[in-house]
Amino acid sequence: EAQVTQNPRYLITVTGKKLTVTCSQNMNHEYMSWYRQDPGLGLRQIYYSMNVEVTDKGDVPEGYKVSRKEKRNFPLILESPSPNQTSLYFCASSKQLLNTEAFFGQGTRLTVV
Amino acid sequence: QKEVEQNSGPLSVPEGAIASLNCTYSDRGSQSFFWYRQYSGKSPELIMFIYSNGDKEDGRFTAQLNKASQYVSLLIRDSQPSDSATYLCAVINTGGFKTIFGAGTRLFVKA
Repeated sequence: EAQVTQNPRYLITVTGKKLTVTCSQNMNHEYMSWYRQDPGLGLRQIYYSMNVEVTDKGDVPEGYKVSRKEKRNFPLILESPSPNQTSLYFCASSKQLLNTEAFFGQGTRLTVV
Repeated sequence: QKEVEQNSGPLSVPEGAIASLNCTYSDRGSQSFFWYRQYSGKSPELIMFIYSNGDKEDGRFTAQLNKASQYVSLLIRDSQPSDSATYLCAVINTGGFKTIFGAGTRLFVKA
């Protein structure tokens, strides 16, 4: 089954404790991205990757890191989480960006206390 | 001005009616336009995309794009209670690398 898998689905952590949210897709897609979704603000892009070893900042990259060492994986790293990073996070992948459907993971609800 | 703007709603329509959802964008060079549906607590899923001026129909859904007015809309005919969700408009920017989402419009279809 074609899918984007995120882990964990839910996470409660403390300020400053490094964490990684994993994202993996099995569709051999070139393009992957991370979003955060907050009430009233919609989905905001954090980072995106056009291909292996090619990543770039989206609109809200501060406090986040990513890597794309393999085509299928695109982990999101929070080196020192803060309460303002409490949000719902989605990973997405697509074969290309233009005129192509993006497939979303199930979402990760992160709470930083 | 937000890059992609949608009326947050909620938009309430009776079952069987036409629901009209609107989206405006600020980047005149935007290239592709998407409508996603998101049920509460779920991931967004694609309804349709459009990249040329005019109308594009898929079943009960019609997307309309007017690049001169920087406006894209989604019409849902014969609305069903199962259409009740948040509808997200998304735009690919001029550079072709970033996706900008609107905040979404909540739609309620009353049985």
